[in-house]
Amino acid sequence: SQTIHQWPATLVQPVGSPLSLECTVEGTSNPNLYWYRQAAGRGLQLLFYSVGIGQISSEVPQNLSASRPQDRQFILSSKKLLLSDSGFYLCAWSVSGGIDTQYFGPGTRLTVL
Amino acid sequence: AQSVTQLGSHVSVSEGALVLLRCNYSSSVPPYLFWYVQYPNQGLQLLLKYTSAATLVKGINGFEAEFKKSETSFHLTKPSAHMSDAAEYFCAVSERSGGYQKVTFGIGTKLQVIP
Repeated sequence: SQTIHQWPATLVQPVGSPLSLECTVEGTSNPNLYWYRQAAGRGLQLLFYSVGIGQISSEVPQNLSASRPQDRQFILSSKKLLLSDSGFYLCAWSVSGGIDTQYFGPGTRLTVL
Repeated sequence: AQSVTQLGSHVSVSEGALVLLRCNYSSSVPPYLFWYVQYPNQGLQLLLKYTSAATLVKGINGFEAEFKKSETSFHLTKPSAHMSDAAEYFCAVSERSGGYQKVTFGIGTKLQVIP
C-alpha cells in the first residue's frame, strides 16, 4: 500500500531564516506531487505541483520554491522566511495521468516568529 | 474555471442528529467531486468521491453524498452524528488541467457535535 511522509511535523523558525520541508511517497511510481498551504479560514491553497522529476509548476508567486530530485521526493524550500509564510503545509500525491483522489500527508505546522 | 462553495463555516449538531454539510460547485466540464475530513493537526483523509457513476455515493464512517447536477450540489450527510465526527470537512472539485489534476477546495466546514 502507498504511504506518504512529511517532516518535520512542527517547525518554529525566525524571520529571514531558510526553510526545507520534505515529503516522500512509498508504494507507487511516477506520482503527481503537490504542495498546499492551509491558513485558518482560507481552505487549501495549491503552491506547487510536479508531474515528474525536475518538473515543477507554481500556482502563485511567492517566497517559496519546490524541487523534485527523485521520483518520490518533493521538497519545499525558502531562502528567507517571512511572517506570512506561517501555516500548515500539506504534501499530496495522486496517480499520474488521471483524475483521481489526492492522498495527503500528515502535514507540517510552520510558525515564523 | 471551477469553484466550490461550502455554506456555513461552522455547523453544530447534537449527538445522534442528522449531519448535513452543504457544497455547491461550478465546473466547465463534468466534475469529479470529493469530500475530505481533517482532524486537528492532521492531513486530509478521503471520505468519498463522485466520478460520474452512481449519483449517491457512500463513504467511510457512515457518510454519504448525493450528486445533483441540476442543483450543482454535492451535499454530505450522515443520519446520526457521533462525537468522533467532530472535525473539519472539505468539499473539492477536480478536473484535468494540462498534465495534472487541478483540485479546487472549499474553505471548509467545522462540525461541532454537542453531547
